[in-house]
Amino acid sequence: DGGITQSPKYLFRKEGQNVTLSCEQNLNHDAMYWYRQDPGQGLRLIYYSQIVNDFQKGDIAEGYSVSREKKESFPLTVTSAQKNPTAFYLCASSIQPSGRAGEQFFGPGTRLTVL
Amino acid sequence: AQKITQTQPGMFVQEKEAVTLDCTYDTSDPSYGLFWYKQPSSGEMIFLIYQGSYDQQNATEGRYSLNFQKARKSANLVISASQLGDSAMYFCAMREAQTGANNLFFGTGTRLTVIP
Repeated sequence: DGGITQSPKYLFRKEGQNVTLSCEQNLNHDAMYWYRQDPGQGLRLIYYSQIVNDFQKGDIAEGYSVSREKKESFPLTVTSAQKNPTAFYLCASSIQPSGRAGEQFFGPGTRLTVL
Repeated sequence: AQKITQTQPGMFVQEKEAVTLDCTYDTSDPSYGLFWYKQPSSGEMIFLIYQGSYDQQNATEGRYSLNFQKARKSANLVISASQLGDSAMYFCAMREAQTGANNLFFGTGTRLTVIP
């Protein structure tokens, strides 16, 4: 089945540690996205990538880094510079936008907790 | 200014009744798209319906319809014949063509509870 997978589902991190969240898609989508969701809030864009080996900062990129070495994979690293990383992280992918075709498909999410 | 505003933090509806979830947006781009997503307690985001700024008719997808009032910049989601499984968070989102990317701006969501 085509879809987006994220791992792990739950992640615990000690302060000062970097952690990497995995996102893989087999939908053959060019574009991929990372969002952060805090309790009672909407999604905010961290980073996005429209093509392999290229990515752009979103609204809240500070303290995060990404790579896009393969079309299927878009890992997100939460660095120690991110002051408040406890949140729910969602990865998404889409084809290049054209009407509804720009619909983003989401993974199941990773819940990160800093201890 | 917020690009997407959802003013209803929570809504209740009786099973089998219809409910309207409000969404207003702010953009100067003449070409934009509006999306509604459902987020159950499990966390994944499920696409419900899409409306393009140039679409002449209101979008419909099964029990979901979008009441698009362009002059008022509103894109309210109407769910007909509510079911218990409709209980979830609902998010309105917008994509602007001028950004050149497919980035979505999300509202803060509305929590819908369907009462048996």
